[in-house]
Amino acid sequence: RKEVEQDPGPFNVPEGATVAFNCTYSNSASQSFFWYRQDCRKEPKLLMSVYSSGNEDGRFTAQLNRASQYISLLIRDSKLSDSATYLCVVIRMEYGNKLVFGAGTILRVKS
Amino acid sequence: GAVVSQHPSRVICKSGTSVKIECRSLDFQATTMFWYRQFPKQSLMLMATSNEGSKATYEQGVEKDKFLINHASLTLSTLTVTSAHPEDSSFYICSARASGGWDTQYFGPGTRLTVL
Repeated sequence: RKEVEQDPGPFNVPEGATVAFNCTYSNSASQSFFWYRQDCRKEPKLLMSVYSSGNEDGRFTAQLNRASQYISLLIRDSKLSDSATYLCVVIRMEYGNKLVFGAGTILRVKS
Repeated sequence: GAVVSQHPSRVICKSGTSVKIECRSLDFQATTMFWYRQFPKQSLMLMATSNEGSKATYEQGVEKDKFLINHASLTLSTLTVTSAHPEDSSFYICSARASGGWDTQYFGPGTRLTVL
């Protein structure tokens, strides 16, 4: 079983739609959680951190459920420019603060 | 923001040749550099971690004699794929971290290697 699992998609949505991505992680010792965005043939870029209390950054909302080992990302009012692969990432302190990436969920926003 | 560069951005080589990829932190000192590999439709997989002036630590299943890593200075790390074969064709991404922890980790733009 992979340490970080994501639905690969693709999610095909119209502009303006709300879309949610889910991620589960297997190691309960994971301590920090993030969403990264990766455009085709580009490097990943940090989108936002994920906190237990939930956090919001503009149209993006991230949630963490430690009990269920589940992370989510909600995108409201989707834009064409949101089309990308969204990577769920966790860190375990015991793993030397190394980032562990999920395989990503593909989002395609269409006009 | 901090910038990490990689060179070359794309390389095509014949099977059996060696390829060197450079990773540079342009405006900060990277105490640690990471090398990742990403196959199509798969996640980034950490290959190795290198700290300046010491030997790299390789992840399980990564051949250290095939993927030579040198981190000779606080701004430069190199990955050499020795005797490359078609199955080594992949997207190689480096990441540089300053001393502050995960939030000071920055990714390079990646190098796409194609081995014929």
